[in-house]
Amino acid sequence: RKEVEQDPGPFNVPEGATVAFNCTYSNSASQSFFWYRQDCRKEPKLLMSVYSSGNEDGRFTAQLNRASQYISLLIRDSKLSDSATYLCVVSGSARQLTFGSGTQLTVLP
Amino acid sequence: GAVVSQHPSRVICKSGTSVKIECRSLDFQATTMFWYRQFPKQSLMLMATSNEGSKATYEQGVEKDKFLINHASLTLSTLTVTSAHPEDSSFYICSAKRDQMVEKLFFGSGTQLSVL
Repeated sequence: RKEVEQDPGPFNVPEGATVAFNCTYSNSASQSFFWYRQDCRKEPKLLMSVYSSGNEDGRFTAQLNRASQYISLLIRDSKLSDSATYLCVVSGSARQLTFGSGTQLTVLP
Repeated sequence: GAVVSQHPSRVICKSGTSVKIECRSLDFQATTMFWYRQFPKQSLMLMATSNEGSKATYEQGVEKDKFLINHASLTLSTLTVTSAHPEDSSFYICSAKRDQMVEKLFFGSGTQLSVL
């Protein structure tokens, strides 16, 4: 089983739609959780950290369920510029980041 | 924000040659840098952790004699792919840790290596 698993997609959604991505992690001792965004052949960029209480940043909402070892990202009112691959990232006690394989999103006009 | 410069962005080489990739932290000192490899449609896989002034720590399955890492200063780490083969063709990306907070991880822009 992979340490961090994501649905690879692709998710093709119309502009303005709401889309949700899920991610599961296998190490119950994981301590920090993040969503990164990666455009094709570019470096990943931190989108947001994920906190136990859930957190929101504009159109983006992230949630963490430690009991189920599950993380989610919700994007509301999708924009064309949201098209990218979204990486679920988990940090363990050794503070190393483990990346999921990413979920590809394409927002269509 | 902090900037990490990675060079070259793209390299095409013949099989058997060696390729050096540089990763520089431009406005902060990075005692720790990380090297990743990403194959198409796959996740970033950590290859090694580069520590300034000491030997790199390699992940399981990564050949240290093939992927030479040097971190001679607080702002520069290099990855040399020795005797490159077509299966080494991949996207290599570095990152540097700023401060001690894990989320303050800044990435280079990546190097696309194609071995013919």
